[in-house]
Amino acid sequence: SQELEQSPQSLIVQEGKNLTINCTSSKTLYGLYWYKQKYGEGLIFLMMLQKGGEEKSHEKITAKLDEKKQQSSLHITASQPSHAGIYLCGADWASGGSNYKLTFGKGTLLTVNP
Amino acid sequence: GAVVSQHPSWVICKSGTSVKIECRSLDFQATTMFWYRQFPKQSLMLMATSNEGSKATYEQGVEKDKFLINHASLTLSTLTVTSAHPEDSSFYICSAKGGWDQPQHFGDGTRLSIL
Repeated sequence: SQELEQSPQSLIVQEGKNLTINCTSSKTLYGLYWYKQKYGEGLIFLMMLQKGGEEKSHEKITAKLDEKKQQSSLHITASQPSHAGIYLCGADWASGGSNYKLTFGKGTLLTVNP
Repeated sequence: GAVVSQHPSWVICKSGTSVKIECRSLDFQATTMFWYRQFPKQSLMLMATSNEGSKATYEQGVEKDKFLINHASLTLSTLTVTSAHPEDSSFYICSAKGGWDQPQHFGDGTRLSIL
């Protein structure tokens, strides 16, 4: 079974609308990372969450990690075409062991229509 | 800050050729570097983790003799795909981590096409 579930798989919104992407882990996270990828390119780091209940914001993007450290959400306010891309959450379960390797969700393809 | 350079960005070669991909952290020292493979419209699959000066740790199912990883310095790791075949064609991405409390920063990827 999938240990890291990301939803929705794809999302089409009108410019200016708000949206939320979710990432659910089957076990407690040591850390949760959000990245954005344009197809055929590398990943751009967005946010890193490590504490239960933590919330971070950058420009119009806010990421949260629940108190149990098993669920995270990424919220975009007043979306713009520049927000379009693939959003990936990456889970660190190893409490510092295993070189902090990440397991990624399947990604959410976001399309923002002007 | 935190720039990772990956080279080449695109390579096309004949079957049986060995191909080397470089991953450099340009403005920080990377204690750990990671190599991923990504198939079209799929997520990243971790291939191996490398620490400077030590042998890489490969994920289950990844052939270490096929995918040679060298992490000779704190700013450079290389992945060599030996005797590449068409099934090795894929998008390979590296990442580098500057410390335990730092995120992984990714290169732009290398698209490998084996004819």
